[in-house]
Amino acid sequence: GAGVSQSPSNKVTEKGKDVELRCDPISGHTALYWYRQSLGQGLEFLIYFQGNSAPDKSGLPSDRFSAERTGGSVSTLTIQRTQQEDSAVYLCASSAQVAGAGGETQYFGPGTRLLVL
Amino acid sequence: GENVEQHPSTLSVQEGDSAVIKCTYSDSASNYFPWYKQELGKRPQLIIDIRSNVGEKKDQRIAVTLNKTAKHFSLHITETQPEDSAVYFCAASKGSSASKIIFGSGTRLSIRP
Repeated sequence: GAGVSQSPSNKVTEKGKDVELRCDPISGHTALYWYRQSLGQGLEFLIYFQGNSAPDKSGLPSDRFSAERTGGSVSTLTIQRTQQEDSAVYLCASSAQVAGAGGETQYFGPGTRLLVL
Repeated sequence: GENVEQHPSTLSVQEGDSAVIKCTYSDSASNYFPWYKQELGKRPQLIIDIRSNVGEKKDQRIAVTLNKTAKHFSLHITETQPEDSAVYFCAASKGSSASKIIFGSGTRLSIRP
């Protein structure tokens, strides 16, 4: 079946512009995560959705960052007034969040590579 | 909240030797411990996981051990090969509950020919 998809795969934008990143999780997966990964660095947690609600937004770096998830499926991450330090790969992951039989496995999307000039 | 520490941050081993990566966690309620491998330019992928009801799990050249008392778990790779070169992330979670998974900071493993 289809895995996690993200769009766009690459985005180049000018400083100050808004960008919207999209994540399509695996069908039926209730948990959805957004991470940011700078070159050669680890996975920086941004936000976690369980269904449509976000129990944990603690990783969002500033109020310029927001995310939503509708219908328990697609999620969008919006960055307003982008800054050069926002340049990174933004990864989305989903899981069934069900114990056993690999239900907790996180499946990552290919990421969106964002470059802010 | 849960905190996962991972060591070392970088590791270089001779091809054919073993590699060990260690992680500690803080929340004793954590019961699920996966390991992800991220090759250069690719997305992280699960390579092995362990639950708190077992102490060790093996899959060919890869094994993971868990010490619940000490709250630490380790990844062991034997007979390392060039394709093992990657960044490895450990993680901890409370399984099926509505709590998020927490990742370690990653270990960059290089295999010397």
